[in-house]
Amino acid sequence: QSVLTQPPSVSAAPGQKVSVSCSGNSSNIGNNYVSWYQHLPGTAPKLLIYDNNKRPSGIPDRFSGSKSGTSATLGITGLQTGDEADYYCGTWDSSLSAYVFGTGTKVTVL
Amino acid sequence: QVHLVQSGAEVKKPGASMKVSCKASGYNFVTYGINWVRQAPGQGLEWMGWIIPYNGISNCAQKFQGRVTMTTDTSTTTAYMELRSLTSDDTAVYYCAKHRAVVGGTDDAFDVWGQGTMVTVFS
Repeated sequence: QSVLTQPPSVSAAPGQKVSVSCSGNSSNIGNNYVSWYQHLPGTAPKLLIYDNNKRPSGIPDRFSGSKSGTSATLGITGLQTGDEADYYCGTWDSSLSAYVFGTGTKVTVL
Repeated sequence: QVHLVQSGAEVKKPGASMKVSCKASGYNFVTYGINWVRQAPGQGLEWMGWIIPYNGISNCAQKFQGRVTMTTDTSTTTAYMELRSLTSDDTAVYYCAKHRAVVGGTDDAFDVWGQGTMVTVFS
């Protein structure tokens, strides 16, 4: 059972916006940078956001990240069918001395 | 172009060992950590550990301690992850993933991933 909690699923129509939350505590999100990954079945995960809110080159600005206290949020605007995937937050947990991933959220485009 | 190319799928019997390789190219292999992550069927991503090729220092999640060995061969820019005493619970896709930053912190992101290696454990 992961120490980072995400909603199992979120959905919206094409062109709309979705937000994916990631809830942790002071041992993980509260004192470490958060990253976000997109994972399509059968493919390698892709880094979308690092250091809470930075995008690697090639990631469109439709994807955004934020952090407040012990929670983080991934935002996706202008939703496209190609955005249907599982999304995971990740960070270091100082108590566990381990990198931890969130429980994962399936994004569905209606 | 930065690439991580992993070895092929394996089928193992319970109690056996597995060893997955991860060939890196397109960057200075020794200065970026390599992580190992797995995903069991229907489950989420699970971090197993990392290794710093420069000095061979590794760190793994508590649940794998004593059962996993991570190594690197800097001459071939290849990382290896060996997992012993396999059970059906180890059936999963195993990924290697590179740290984003040189000498990045423990919370550094994983910016390049291998294609994954499916390991099936059954008798």
